[in-house]
Amino acid sequence: AQSVTQLDSQVPVFEEAPVELRCNYSSSVSVYLFWYVQYPNQGLQLLLKYLSGSTLVKGINGFEAEFNKSQTSFHLRKPSVHISDTAEYFCAVRGMDSSYKLIFGSGTRLLVRP
Amino acid sequence: KAGVTQTPRYLIKTRGQQVTLSCSPISGHRSVSWYQQTPGQGLQFLFEYFSETQRNKGNFPGRFSGRQFSNSRSEMNVSTLELGDSALYLCASSPEYSNTEAFFGQGTRLTVV
Repeated sequence: AQSVTQLDSQVPVFEEAPVELRCNYSSSVSVYLFWYVQYPNQGLQLLLKYLSGSTLVKGINGFEAEFNKSQTSFHLRKPSVHISDTAEYFCAVRGMDSSYKLIFGSGTRLLVRP
Repeated sequence: KAGVTQTPRYLIKTRGQQVTLSCSPISGHRSVSWYQQTPGQGLQFLFEYFSETQRNKGNFPGRFSGRQFSNSRSEMNVSTLELGDSALYLCASSPEYSNTEAFFGQGTRLTVV
């Protein structure tokens, strides 16, 4: 079984400042890792994913994340945020079996202020 | 390529009624998963269908059921609706190979009154 912890329910930040959204997971098997973003009244859009290979992955809209196996973390970062980045961000894991069952964290609301 | 389509987008039902939600996956995708999103419980996995077979199931009561058709379109049904079933129901589709992501639809907002 897997679980995901997003420690921060809300992260306020000023425009053009850097931001890090934290994600820790636990799993008894190897996992794939994902970050999704959700805008109000919308579905989930994939930001980036770690499947294998380089532990630093780059995604859309300037976001990147680093997979740390020893710390079981997959933190999301952006060097300079925009007002339009205000949204809910979800970290998710999936076990490396044939099932597409995703386990999500509770989400972090990123609030970018001018 | 069209994305995942969920219908309807919004739905209001009365307690005790039943409801059916529909999901059309991306063309060529054979896996369809359903999730419930509520402010209190967050995003929770309901079930996954692959080639018309339920491959995985979350921890929800038997009032929640689903099925998948030969064209990969999926429906989920909730019987005897309760107020707590009010939620955003999200459908996701994925291709046959396992090392990829799920693509989500816009969701169906169900309100039970």
